[in-house]
Amino acid sequence: DQQVKQNSPSLSVQEGRISILNCDYTNSMFDYFLWYKKYPAEGPTFLISISSIKDKNEDGRFTVFLNKSAKHLSLHIVPSQPGDSAVYFCAASAGLYSGAGSYQLTFGKGTKLSVIP
Amino acid sequence: KAGVTQTPRYLIKTRGQQVTLSCSPISGHRSVSWYQQTPGQGLQFLFEYFSETQRNKGNFPGRFSGRQFSNSRSEMNVSTLELGDSALYLCASSWVDQRGQETQYFGPGTRLLVL
Repeated sequence: DQQVKQNSPSLSVQEGRISILNCDYTNSMFDYFLWYKKYPAEGPTFLISISSIKDKNEDGRFTVFLNKSAKHLSLHIVPSQPGDSAVYFCAASAGLYSGAGSYQLTFGKGTKLSVIP
Repeated sequence: KAGVTQTPRYLIKTRGQQVTLSCSPISGHRSVSWYQQTPGQGLQFLFEYFSETQRNKGNFPGRFSGRQFSNSRSEMNVSTLELGDSALYLCASSWVDQRGQETQYFGPGTRLLVL
């Protein structure tokens, strides 16, 4: 049973446009969500996170939106750049924000973003 | 600060052998987690160590084990290797900030090929 789902395995976007990557989750205990970017042969790089007490978090060109009622989050990249081309993973955790110490991330299977110059 | 380091970066083994992978976390990070990445299953959690104790364990057979040393460095061991163990093994160390939010920082991974 996949608790974190990224239903689009790939996405192509023109340079300068907005990239929207989506993620759905099923476990209502998840209260902290992260996005990672991964290049081939490298480990994932942390991008941005959001806790369940917020519905939006921004960091430069990256914005994450959380819709708890729909159990859905999305990552917006504006404007998209060719260097953003990578696989993006959504990850979720239960209990981290509350400090309960559940240090286990559940990952989606990733979305490959291609930004076309 | 130096990032998470993993050794070796690449490894080729044959079925039935065992392998030990090493991870050095970011200085000051006390939690180390291990993940397996395969094309079919994506990133899957193996286990997490904090202060030399396994605090969390994923759904993997007992052939997969790990430990953490007093300096927070961690090793994972896979015994009786199977072809399906071929994967990228990622280590992550984590830090909890003042707001109680924890972020895991990943190493480059060890690519294991089992022949």
